[in-house]
Amino acid sequence: GDSVTQTEGPVTLSEGTSLTVNCSYETKQYPTLFWYVQYPGEGPQLLFKVPKANEKGSNRGFEATYNKEATSFHLQKASVQESDSAVYYCALGDGPNYNVLYFGSGTKLTVEP
Amino acid sequence: GGIITQTPKFLIGQEGQKLTLKCQQNFNHDTMYWYRQDSGKGLRLIYYSITENDLQKGDLSEGYDASREKKSSFSLTVTSAQKNEMAVFLCASSMNSNYAEQFFGPGTRLTVL
Repeated sequence: GDSVTQTEGPVTLSEGTSLTVNCSYETKQYPTLFWYVQYPGEGPQLLFKVPKANEKGSNRGFEATYNKEATSFHLQKASVQESDSAVYYCALGDGPNYNVLYFGSGTKLTVEP
Repeated sequence: GGIITQTPKFLIGQEGQKLTLKCQQNFNHDTMYWYRQDSGKGLRLIYYSITENDLQKGDLSEGYDASREKKSSFSLTVTSAQKNEMAVFLCASSMNSNYAEQFFGPGTRLTVL
């Protein structure tokens, strides 16, 4: 079945340093890939999604490239800020139940000033 | 814009008790979802509904019932609460199109005594 594996947290960084959260997936189909972010006390919200292989998604300085050959979708940011502290979820959307998303276990990021 | 409201915010019950969680959305979305969020395990789908009176099981449906009373509301019932299912329950909604963005509520935290 479909599954997503991502960097185990927690991850603690200093402001201004770079971030990589690894995400790899397993599926037999051609998925759409997502990154969601969850701030304390809130539900997750979409950061961005990429429906096609070899394309890049980005938002708020975060980016990820859909690498079909490596089955990866790693999240990167060049310079993190304290406000980026949150839990990040990689997710996979696949057919035939195209409404269903499979989420990774989440990576908690804390950015220290 | 819109909002998803989940009630109650905190739910405390006894082991073996039947408990109901409620969700309302004003996005006018067709599809609604219930997820369970356990620490370190990400989000797992319990039930979803693509239209009023429709129900589809997710991977974690055993021990739960759901009801889509009308387009804007989706309820989840824990049929017999167990201590090992203390978690945050998240409701979400989306348009009924391929891999549409899911919008999440703030969650209901369940404690079982």
